[in-house]
Amino acid sequence: EDQVTQSPEALRLQEGESSSLNCSYTVSGLRGLFWYRQDPGKGPEFLFTLYSAGEEKEKERLKATLTKKESFLHITAPKPEDSATYLCAVQAGYSGAGSYQLTFGKGTKLSVIP
Amino acid sequence: EAGVTQSPTHLIKTRGQQATLRCSPISGHTSVYWYQQALGLGLQFLLWYDEGEERNRGNFPPRFSGRQFPNYSSELNVNALELEDSALYLCASRPGGVNEQFFGPGTRLTVL
Repeated sequence: EDQVTQSPEALRLQEGESSSLNCSYTVSGLRGLFWYRQDPGKGPEFLFTLYSAGEEKEKERLKATLTKKESFLHITAPKPEDSATYLCAVQAGYSGAGSYQLTFGKGTKLSVIP
Repeated sequence: EAGVTQSPTHLIKTRGQQATLRCSPISGHTSVYWYQQALGLGLQFLLWYDEGEERNRGNFPPRFSGRQFPNYSSELNVNALELEDSALYLCASRPGGVNEQFFGPGTRLTVL
């Protein structure tokens, strides 16, 4: 069974204080690992897809990295508008029913204090 | 390009009633996924529709059902509502041959 564990559950940062969020996973052959941002009461917003160990993707103050067992979302010099819940999801690589289905972690709630 | 849309935004029902939630995917996307996000829980996969067919369902009882129409829009039906069905129901769409799913704003279902 595919599993995704995110840590910490919640993180409070001062504005400008860089940090990292962790996503560890077990999956039967990784097709892709996805990061989403979710604001309260809204749908998740797609951020990144990572496909293989060593891959990195960047967007503004966010950088996502991938190893064979975990992914990190690095936040550099965060601003209050970066406050949100960040979700990690994996997609298994087998074909047939279940293909492309996402298994999500419970998320990390990030609060950036001015 | 318009995103995934869902209706209604909020839905209030009483226990035992039926709820119908609707989703319109991004134009050109043929797959639609439904997820439940209950308070304190992560997104739980409900159903996957592709080209009008149900392709897979998550670990939910049969009273959760749905369908996909010829225009690829989708409907989620929840029968015999229970209090624990209260949650944010999210729809996502995906074009063929692409891995990423794009989410709508969700429908907040409250069961009293």
